[in-house]
Amino acid sequence: GQQLNQSPQSMFIQEGEDVSMNCTSSSIFNTWLWYKQDPGEGPVLLIALYKAGELTSNGRLTAQFGITRKDSFLNISASIPSDVGIYFCAGRHTDSWGKLQFGAGTQVVVTP
Amino acid sequence: EAQVTQNPRYLITVTGKKLTVTCSQNMNHEYMSWYRQDPGLGLRQIYYSMNVEVTDKGDVPEGYKVSRKEKRNFPLILESPSPNQTSLYFCACKRDPWTGELFFGEGSRLTVL
Repeated sequence: GQQLNQSPQSMFIQEGEDVSMNCTSSSIFNTWLWYKQDPGEGPVLLIALYKAGELTSNGRLTAQFGITRKDSFLNISASIPSDVGIYFCAGRHTDSWGKLQFGAGTQVVVTP
Repeated sequence: EAQVTQNPRYLITVTGKKLTVTCSQNMNHEYMSWYRQDPGLGLRQIYYSMNVEVTDKGDVPEGYKVSRKEKRNFPLILESPSPNQTSLYFCACKRDPWTGELFFGEGSRLTVL
């Protein structure tokens, strides 16, 4: 079956540091989405990517759709305490009618 | 305000006691779906609905039922809950079943003893 691997599983960083996480797939995706889940809340969409090579920013967040269409990364610059949470990547397979496949998530903890 | 509302948010129950988790959206979206979230496994789809009266199994449908009698509501039914259904459940919707991004509810944490 399709495999979507997200890494790292968790990160402990100091306030002000940059954060980077990525997702890789065993097959080609036509869409990559990045979500953030705050503690006790549902996931909220951060960035959506629709074209290979696309680089998109949302404030301190930057995400890229890999040129091979099998990977994506998310960077957070100058982390702040409210960046804490679980970040999920999600991809839509080219053969899929619209179903999203989710990564296992990256837990981010920011210390002052 | 655009919302996906789930109830209950928290529930502790016992094995075999039927329960329903309700989901309602006010965005007039065609597509609705249920996910469960478990540590290290991310979000796994249970059931989805492309439109009213159209539902289909996701990746982990065993032990669950759904219905879609009207566009705004998509309840998740556990006829005979078991401890392995202890999880955090999310309802989600999107405007276009074929594209578009999912909007999630706040989650329902279910514990089956």
